Amino acid sequence: DIQMTQSPSTLSASVGDRVTITCRTSQSINYWLAWYQQKPGKAPRILIYKASNLESGVPSRFSGSGSGTEFTLTISSLQPDDFATYYCQHYNSYTLTWMFGQGTKVEIK
Amino acid sequence: QLQLQESGPGLVKPSETLSLTCTVSGDSISSTDYYWGWIRQPPGKGLEWVGSVYYSGNTFYDPSLKSRTTIYVDTSKNQFSLRLSSVTAVDSAVYYCARHPISWAYFDYWGQGTLVTVSS
Repeated sequence: DIQMTQSPSTLSASVGDRVTITCRTSQSINYWLAWYQQKPGKAPRILIYKASNLESGVPSRFSGSGSGTEFTLTISSLQPDDFATYYCQHYNSYTLTWMFGQGTKVEIK
Repeated sequence: QLQLQESGPGLVKPSETLSLTCTVSGDSISSTDYYWGWIRQPPGKGLEWVGSVYYSGNTFYDPSLKSRTTIYVDTSKNQFSLRLSSVTAVDSAVYYCARHPISWAYFDYWGQGTLVTVSS
């Protein structure tokens, strides 16, 4: 089974900061990685799919990069609306299963 | 505008079967471009994929839940459903239904979620 590790689990930052969240997998997953934002009491919202593709309507301050086993979500300039929990999600095309990372809570510093 | 809406009992007794339905509006569940899935989130914890179904009835399940999970579609009602048997307290969670494009492997539209508590 492919293991997925998301870090950090919590991140304290200020408005305007550049923020980076990492997701690592135990085996190469090519580009099959997505990133979501979730606010309390709400369903997750897709931000990035296939590692680096920005979903329509998502602000351009969000970007994704990486391939193989290491992926990053970057928020170029943190805005008040961005304080939330972020999840990575992987699709295993061999076992036809989907898996989420443990989550990163972005808090106000 | 695509909408997904979960429905079902909010309280289930231990050892019984959890049953939820997702009603899809604004798109046909018979589309060949999408899977339809269930994801759950225990209170205060992370997201866990439960399983997904294709309109033809093909299913995919999380290996740790596979023995207890059944997901099926009702194309006449534009719905898909989840059954999870022999539930315990650890199955208490918000259950979301979601659509995911076959070509891109991510979940693009989600329901609002429904809280299911397992308790006697």
